[in-house]
Amino acid sequence: EADIYQTPRYLVIGTGKKITLECSQTMGHDKMYWYQQDPGMELHLIHYSYGVNSTEKGDLSSESTVSRIRTEHFPLTLESARPSHTSQYLCASSEWVGSYNSPLHFGNGTRLTVT
Amino acid sequence: KNQVEQSPQSLIILEGKNCTLQCNYTVSPFSNLRWYKQDTGRGPVSLTIMTFSENTKSNGRYTATLDADTKQSSLHITASQLSDSASYICVVSACDMRFGAGTRLTVKP
Repeated sequence: EADIYQTPRYLVIGTGKKITLECSQTMGHDKMYWYQQDPGMELHLIHYSYGVNSTEKGDLSSESTVSRIRTEHFPLTLESARPSHTSQYLCASSEWVGSYNSPLHFGNGTRLTVT
Repeated sequence: KNQVEQSPQSLIILEGKNCTLQCNYTVSPFSNLRWYKQDTGRGPVSLTIMTFSENTKSNGRYTATLDADTKQSSLHITASQLSDSASYICVVSACDMRFGAGTRLTVKP
């Protein structure tokens, strides 16, 4: 069983609403990530964090923001949801041992639909 | 163009048969290559990691190969089971991680 939890699993929301996707891990991992996944496409990195008070933008241009106030918690917020934000959002964590030798541990995702 | 290309995009096989999934990459420099399995509705789970010096590595019925010269990797599944139905994602790490789009495998009874 995964030690990384995402809520909600599914979310349908109207355009313009503010939403926060929750992600928590119990493994004490320093590094955490948010990915966007669309069917048949590769995962795209939206945000990542090296540890508490560290946040970085990923490859994918995004209108979302993240925070890392505690090691175990890495929420993602959309200030104003749009239909283009409809996607699967995956949170992941890993030990930071350099050279990406440590595997990513993924949550089961949040399927977001913006109407 | 994605720096990590996987083929085929999808594959249907009968239970008990073997199959091979391919991953070609142009990522450089190379640190390691990892295969993940993603069941429907779940997050990806790591199957195996290949480093530069490794040619073959097995994990049960899964065997990964790596040819760092030609920048190709394969994942061979032996005696497939219904539970092998999933997407298989190749991830190549260098300065960052690059993901393939995955191969969707369906195993039918």
